Amino acid sequence: SQQGEEDPQALSIQEGENATMNCSYKTSINNLQWYRQNSGRGLVHLILIRSNEREKHSGRLRVTLDTSKKSSSLLITASRAADTASYFCATAGGETSGSRLTFGEGTQLTVNP
Amino acid sequence: KAGVTQTPRYLIKTRGQQVTLSCSPISGHRSVSWYQQTPGQGLQFLFEYFSETQRNKGNFPGRFSGRQFSNSRSEMNVSTLELGDSALYLCASSLLSYGGETQYFGPGTRLLVL
Repeated sequence: SQQGEEDPQALSIQEGENATMNCSYKTSINNLQWYRQNSGRGLVHLILIRSNEREKHSGRLRVTLDTSKKSSSLLITASRAADTASYFCATAGGETSGSRLTFGEGTQLTVNP
Repeated sequence: KAGVTQTPRYLIKTRGQQVTLSCSPISGHRSVSWYQQTPGQGLQFLFEYFSETQRNKGNFPGRFSGRQFSNSRSEMNVSTLELGDSALYLCASSLLSYGGETQYFGPGTRLLVL
């Protein structure tokens, strides 16, 4: 079963606009990671935020984490058509969980040129 | 460094057959995890191997099994295939297995069971 939910399930925007995706999870975590997947291909790692961090930036990406609300958000600024993909959040537990990731259901982002 | 590689990329099998998928992790990585992705269930964890030992196992029937070799390459096997096993199978590697690392995914093996 999935750890949590992503919101919205689908998002359609114009090039140049910002895209915000949200993720909620249920259990305590070590870190939360965001991945991108282009049309049935492998997952590309975007960013990792640890449980003791609140915000992280990487290029046009900004991730926030609120452990009290068990939620995270991914903001993509100045979107491009090439950003069209599915975006997944994934949580990692403590040491006993090893490398196991629990994924959300994903948000399908469409950026229209 | 070369990324995670998976072979074969596509596979068509019939019900009742068995299949073996292969994953080569990034050089130096010792942890390999497997995931199944379907439209209905999303991305689900199958199992993780670290230093040739199964470290974690997801909620899948015993028909799904795996192993890891001394060079960290991993294989997963599905016996007595069912239609519902049609999916994209992804493997991921990381240096260690403590939950705090980035996981690097391969391109996946798409399995179609007829």
